[in-house]
Amino acid sequence: DTGVSQNPRHKITKRGQNVTFRCDPISEHNRLYWYRQTLGQGPEFLTYFQNEAQLEKSRLLSDRFSAERPKGSFSTLEIQRTEQGDSAMYLCASSFSEKDTQYFGPGTRLTVL
Amino acid sequence: QKEVEQNSGPLSVPEGAIASLNCTYSDRGSQSFFWYRQYSGKSPELIMSIYSNGDKEDGRFTAQLNKASQYVSLLIRDSQPSDSATYLCAVNGIQGAQKLVFGQGTRLTINP
Repeated sequence: DTGVSQNPRHKITKRGQNVTFRCDPISEHNRLYWYRQTLGQGPEFLTYFQNEAQLEKSRLLSDRFSAERPKGSFSTLEIQRTEQGDSAMYLCASSFSEKDTQYFGPGTRLTVL
Repeated sequence: QKEVEQNSGPLSVPEGAIASLNCTYSDRGSQSFFWYRQYSGKSPELIMSIYSNGDKEDGRFTAQLNKASQYVSLLIRDSQPSDSATYLCAVNGIQGAQKLVFGQGTRLTINP
């Protein structure tokens, strides 16, 4: 399978815990994006990378959120001190260039109790 | 004004009819436009992309773009029950930013 993969698919955690999600993009894609989607809404942009460089971060991304793409391949998104409002689907997408189609992974559904 | 707007629906269409989904966007300088389909609990799946004014057809799907009116639409011909899903309009290049801005989605139900 050469699509975007994400792990874990589901995560249930208690408020205040830290969680980390991983995204493996399509292998030849330079750009990697993170989005968050809550029920009844479209995905909202969080951040994106071109190779290993993080080029933009949304104002939605508080200082509890951090993302890395250390070797320009896979990426991790960490949420520290989770809050109930962080419960959402976290989506990763990748594309070959800035104007190209973004292909989405299956998402990680986070539930914060 | 929202950057990308869609009617949230629900839109109900009989099987075999044409479903018409609409989207407007705020920035005339936006560069590329996408329709994604999303089944409940799943991630968005690309249906169509369109970059220039006019129509683009792919099987039962036709995307239409009118940059002067800042309007993009998706037509689904011969609608099938399996087309029942939420359809997301996404725009790239709003205010020069290289990221997708999504509408809230239109929930479509095809009635057998």
